[in-house]
Amino acid sequence: KDQVFQPSTVASSEGAVVEIFCNHSVSNAYNFFWYLHFPGCAPRLLVKGSKPSQQGRYNMTYERFSSSLLILQVREADAAVYYCVCTSGTYKYIFGTGTRLKVLA
Amino acid sequence: DAGITQSPRHKVTETGTPVTLRCHQTENHRYMYWYRQDPGHGLRLIHYSYGVKDTDKGEVSDGYSVSRSKTEDFLLTLESATSSQTSVYFCAIRPDRDADTQYFGPGTRLTVL
Repeated sequence: KDQVFQPSTVASSEGAVVEIFCNHSVSNAYNFFWYLHFPGCAPRLLVKGSKPSQQGRYNMTYERFSSSLLILQVREADAAVYYCVCTSGTYKYIFGTGTRLKVLA
Repeated sequence: DAGITQSPRHKVTETGTPVTLRCHQTENHRYMYWYRQDPGHGLRLIHYSYGVKDTDKGEVSDGYSVSRSKTEDFLLTLESATSSQTSVYFCAIRPDRDADTQYFGPGTRLTVL
């Protein structure tokens, strides 16, 4: 079964670099996406790619079956749910169950 | 802002009643999707559309139907709502110019009593 796996919770101190890891069992996956989600809002794309990528404070690593999202200089406002997504076709997007980031003052 | 709106944003209904959720986009993209979000499951695909009157099932389509009679609107219908369909529903579009990225609407919180 096509699945994406990510930890349910990650904690970090303010100002640190936090890493959220995901891996998958999706056949023919060729792209990763990382979304940020605040409750009551639309999930927002942070970074994507089939190679290492960076968008502002967000870095994405890429391996064939895994990816990590690194958030630089973590802030309290970064506390949210982060989704890792794999795609293997025009309609097939497989979501992980989401990682809740807790930021410790 | 991907120009996606969903209505209603919140709805409470009773078991057995029909419910229709609407997704509206302003940029005439071909691909539109409906997901549900549940604790411990992330987002799961219900149905998707690749054009007017062209739709197909996703992973969790049982109990749901969709219609797309205009490019800008994608409707999700629960013919007879059940408590297991209590969820947050997200619509997404995939722009034609950005071949693999989805952009999401703000969601509809549906409670079935």
